[in-house]
Amino acid sequence: AQSVAQPEDQVNVAEGNPLTVKCTYSVSGNPYLFWYVQYPNRGLQFLLKYITGDNLVKGSYGFEAEFNKSQTSFHLKKPSALVSDSALYFCAVRDPYSSASKIIFGSGTRLSIRP
Amino acid sequence: DGGITQSPKYLFRKEGQNVTLSCEQNLNHDAMYWYRQDPGQGLRLIYYSQIVNDFQKGDIAEGYSVSREKKESFPLTVTSAQKNPTAFYLCASSTILAGETGELFFGEGSRLTVL
Repeated sequence: AQSVAQPEDQVNVAEGNPLTVKCTYSVSGNPYLFWYVQYPNRGLQFLLKYITGDNLVKGSYGFEAEFNKSQTSFHLKKPSALVSDSALYFCAVRDPYSSASKIIFGSGTRLSIRP
Repeated sequence: DGGITQSPKYLFRKEGQNVTLSCEQNLNHDAMYWYRQDPGQGLRLIYYSQIVNDFQKGDIAEGYSVSREKKESFPLTVTSAQKNPTAFYLCASSTILAGETGELFFGEGSRLTVL
């Protein structure tokens, strides 16, 4: 069965430090992988995706994510955190041969950046 | 600007009342989705539709109904049969064209509170 896990409910980082939000997945074949961000009482905003090619993908707001096939991970990273990065982050995965309705979301990780 | 519009943003309902949440998109996407978000539980799929006049149940369809009379519109009715309707509801859309990655685009959400 397909699944995606975000092992940390909350990540706390000081402003200016690098941040990592972890995501691991279980999908057969070569999945499509996504990161979304949600600010309080707002919808989810698309950050970035991995489809194929370079394992390091760059997205919005200075975020990037590293795909690691051997570890089945897709961790979200940023070299220098901002207080405004504080939000709820969701990893999502989809089998490219299945419908977009079959996208699976992780449970979310709350990122808190302290000044 | 292209996007997804959900209304109302906040809605209060008395027990026993049906309410309808609106979702309109001008992205020319074929597929539309309704998700429910509860604290600490991530996103759960209620219904989805890939074509006008057709829709499919998601993981938690009981107590909800939808219609898809136009490509742009996918309203969700929360019926009195839904036992715990207080939640944040998110509408999304995506393309389903072959070769497209099909990432979801979300509206800003509707928060329903049952009094």
